[in-house]
Amino acid sequence: DAGITQSPRHKVTETGTPVTLRCHQTENHRYMYWYRQDPGHGLRLIHYSYGVKDTDKGEVSDGYSVSRSKTEDFLLTLESATSSQTSVYFCAISVADNSPLHFGNGTRLTVT
Amino acid sequence: SQQGEEDPQALSIQEGENATMNCSYKTSINNLQWYRQNSGRGLVHLILIRSNEREKHSGRLRVTLDTSKKSSSLLITASRAADTASYFCATDAHNQGGKLIFGQGTELSVKP
Repeated sequence: DAGITQSPRHKVTETGTPVTLRCHQTENHRYMYWYRQDPGHGLRLIHYSYGVKDTDKGEVSDGYSVSRSKTEDFLLTLESATSSQTSVYFCAISVADNSPLHFGNGTRLTVT
Repeated sequence: SQQGEEDPQALSIQEGENATMNCSYKTSINNLQWYRQNSGRGLVHLILIRSNEREKHSGRLRVTLDTSKKSSSLLITASRAADTASYFCATDAHNQGGKLIFGQGTELSVKP
């Protein structure tokens, strides 16, 4: 899996609580991405990073924030979880912004 | 937003048959990529085809790109049960800053 670890793999949380998902890579790739996957929507980009402390929004960024203080770690935070954020979240990395992505195995998040 | 649309949504074939999946997109692209996703796992990159290429091969995979029709196809020859997975196209369009946009995928089932 190209040295990508997502944690936790599964999480159940209550509406209104903050949640942080972690993506850790050992490939020293510059680019990191967070996607969510939902039935009928495919994968949608939430946020991405093109370097330490350099991040930008994707197409579904509302309700999410990210941080990248080290090359190897990219954190996704749901500031106040809602049921609509129940999804499978995938982290991906790449060496350049139009290069193939390497994905982690995902985090299944359920918001009750 | 720019998005690849796969067709068909689901495909069921017998082992040994060929499987063809199609992808259409809306705006000019830099490249188009195909990914495979096994159940419960992250996506795995299969092949990248650039906008100035018309056909590319990788093992039993053949990808074609027709930029005039804004479409691509993925052919898997002599399919095996292990090819059972979901297949996604992803486009890197000129106006997306290099971010990949994924389609909703084709679910392929290969019966032994």
